Amino acid sequence: AQSVAQPEDQVNVAEGNPLTVKCTYSVSGNPYLFWYVQYPNRGLQFLLKYITGDNLVKGSYGFEAEFNKSQTSFHLKKPSALVSDSALYFCAVSRQSNYQLIWGAGTKLIIKP
Amino acid sequence: DAGVIQSPRHEVTEMGQEVTLRCKPISGHNSLFWYRQTMMRGLELLIYFNNNVPIDDSGMPEDRFSAKMPNASFSTLKIQPSEPRDSAVYFCASSGRTTSLVVQGENYGYTFGSGTRLTVV
Repeated sequence: AQSVAQPEDQVNVAEGNPLTVKCTYSVSGNPYLFWYVQYPNRGLQFLLKYITGDNLVKGSYGFEAEFNKSQTSFHLKKPSALVSDSALYFCAVSRQSNYQLIWGAGTKLIIKP
Repeated sequence: DAGVIQSPRHEVTEMGQEVTLRCKPISGHNSLFWYRQTMMRGLELLIYFNNNVPIDDSGMPEDRFSAKMPNASFSTLKIQPSEPRDSAVYFCASSGRTTSLVVQGENYGYTFGSGTRLTVV
């Protein structure tokens, strides 16, 4: 069965420091991996995806994520955090042959000035 | 494109009343998803449609919930009768992916609407 784990309910980072939001997945075959961000009182917004190719994927707002097949991980990163990055972040996965996304529980990212 | 459009943005209703949530997906997208989000349960998939046909409604909590997609540009989620435990934010999302082979360069992700915040008192 497909599954996604976001092991941290909340991540606290000081502004200007690098941030990492963790995601591990379990899926048969080659995965499609996604990160979405949800700001307060808003819908989820697409950040980036990994389909194939380079393991380092760059997305919106300066975020990037690294696909690690051996560790079945797809951690979200940013070199220098902004207060405006504070939001809820969701990781999701699907199989190549299935368009349905399986979602992680979400990680609340808090960036402190 | 205006994105996925949901209405109403907020709905407050009394227990026992019928509630209808509406969604207009992105033109050309052939998959539509209804989600419910609460603090306790997080993001839950209720039902999804492909080419206007319901594919999986196993996430629909009970018979009080029903969803329809009469055409490619409109879907409804109805709760009758509503209960306080139905209070949540309901999201609609659409996707251009299909079950056919992946097309290079296509955005395989979902586009979400802004949600309907439902409060049942």
